[in-house]
Amino acid sequence: AQSVTQLGSHVSVSEGALVLLRCNYSSSVPPYLFWYVQYPNQGLQLLLKYTSAATLVKGINGFEAEFKKSETSFHLTKPSAHMSDAAEYFCAVIPKGGSQGNLIFGKGTKLSVKP
Amino acid sequence: KAGVTQTPRYLIKTRGQQVTLSCSPISGHRSVSWYQQTPGQGLQFLFEYFSETQRNKGNFPGRFSGRQFSNSRSEMNVSTLELGDSALYLCASSLDWGDYGYTFGSGTRLTVV
Repeated sequence: AQSVTQLGSHVSVSEGALVLLRCNYSSSVPPYLFWYVQYPNQGLQLLLKYTSAATLVKGINGFEAEFKKSETSFHLTKPSAHMSDAAEYFCAVIPKGGSQGNLIFGKGTKLSVKP
Repeated sequence: KAGVTQTPRYLIKTRGQQVTLSCSPISGHRSVSWYQQTPGQGLQFLFEYFSETQRNKGNFPGRFSGRQFSNSRSEMNVSTLELGDSALYLCASSLDWGDYGYTFGSGTRLTVV
């Protein structure tokens, strides 16, 4: 079964530093890939998605992610962290070609930003 | 454009009771999915409705059920509540599944005491 692995349940960076959140998927056929962000007591907000177009995907709030088929990865980056980026980030997939259209989520990574 | 609206935002129920949660999708979206979020299990898929038909179901007991109305609004029901049902229940809507991605509501926080 398809699975998603997010390396690191907690990541802490200083304000202005590079943000790198890691995500790997398990299938041999690349799925649709998504990154969502969740602020406390809120739902999930879509940051960006990969749907077989350009491998470098730009999202909202300065985030981007690069799809690497050889590494089955879809890591999320932001060049310079802001305090407002502190939140929990979820990588998710939808397998292609199957009968299941639901999102399969990773366990999430909590990002802390130090002043 | 209005987002996905979930009501109520917070609920406290007693073990053994039942509860109904409501979700109004973005106008024009025909797919509505429900997810349960807990600290231990993370985000888990409950079920998905498309044009009033359940199209997909996750691995939850039969106490969890749902339905979708002709205007795409959806409800989920949990009967005979257990303490372990305490969670944030998230609804998401989409034009269809696949590469569209989903837009989520703010969720309903259910506490079972």
